[in-house]
Amino acid sequence: AQKVTQAQTEISVVEKEDVTLDCVYETRDTTYYLFWYKQPPSGELVFLIRRNSFDEQNEISGRYSWNFQKSTSSFNFTITASQVVDSAVYFCALIMNRDDKIIFGKGTRLHILP
Amino acid sequence: NAGVMQNPRHLVRRRGQEARLRCSPMKGHSHVYWYRQLPEEGLKFMVYLQKENIIDESGMPKERFSAEFPKEGPSILRIQQVVRGDSAAYFCASSRETGEHEQYFGPGTRLTVT
Repeated sequence: AQKVTQAQTEISVVEKEDVTLDCVYETRDTTYYLFWYKQPPSGELVFLIRRNSFDEQNEISGRYSWNFQKSTSSFNFTITASQVVDSAVYFCALIMNRDDKIIFGKGTRLHILP
Repeated sequence: NAGVMQNPRHLVRRRGQEARLRCSPMKGHSHVYWYRQLPEEGLKFMVYLQKENIIDESGMPKERFSAEFPKEGPSILRIQQVVRGDSAAYFCASSRETGEHEQYFGPGTRLTVT
């Protein structure tokens, strides 16, 4: 069965600190895609990144970076120099290449304190 | 290019009434997906439709819920005889082709059952 686990339910850090959100996934498929989405207090879903299972290069986009490790089935997300506007719920998600439904983790609620 | 549109954004229904949620996919997209987000939970897949066809409804509750995507007009998720447990955010996503794994999400409809 396919599954996404975000063990951290809620995290609070002080502004300007770095924070890493963990994501562990389970699948027996060899071809799949991983995602991160942000859900701010307004409620919409904001797409952050999509990564396919054959691309293990880490990615950096401004203050955001992602660490994909197939050996540990993890796809962790780090925010550097956090800001109050980063406060949101962050979802990690998985989709198999042969399928059409996205499987979401339960999310990590991130509080950035001023 | 307008994104995925959902209306209404907020819907309040009394127990026993019907709820109709609408989703207009992005221009050029013929695949629609509905997801439900219960309070403090991640999103869960409900149904995947193409024009005039239900492709996968494995996540739909067996009773009271139905979905359609007619040849003309938006996709509609209908919930008959709503109960308090139906209170949730319902997100629609669309994609151009199956297998692309790029689903673009709408802003969601927040259903409250009183």
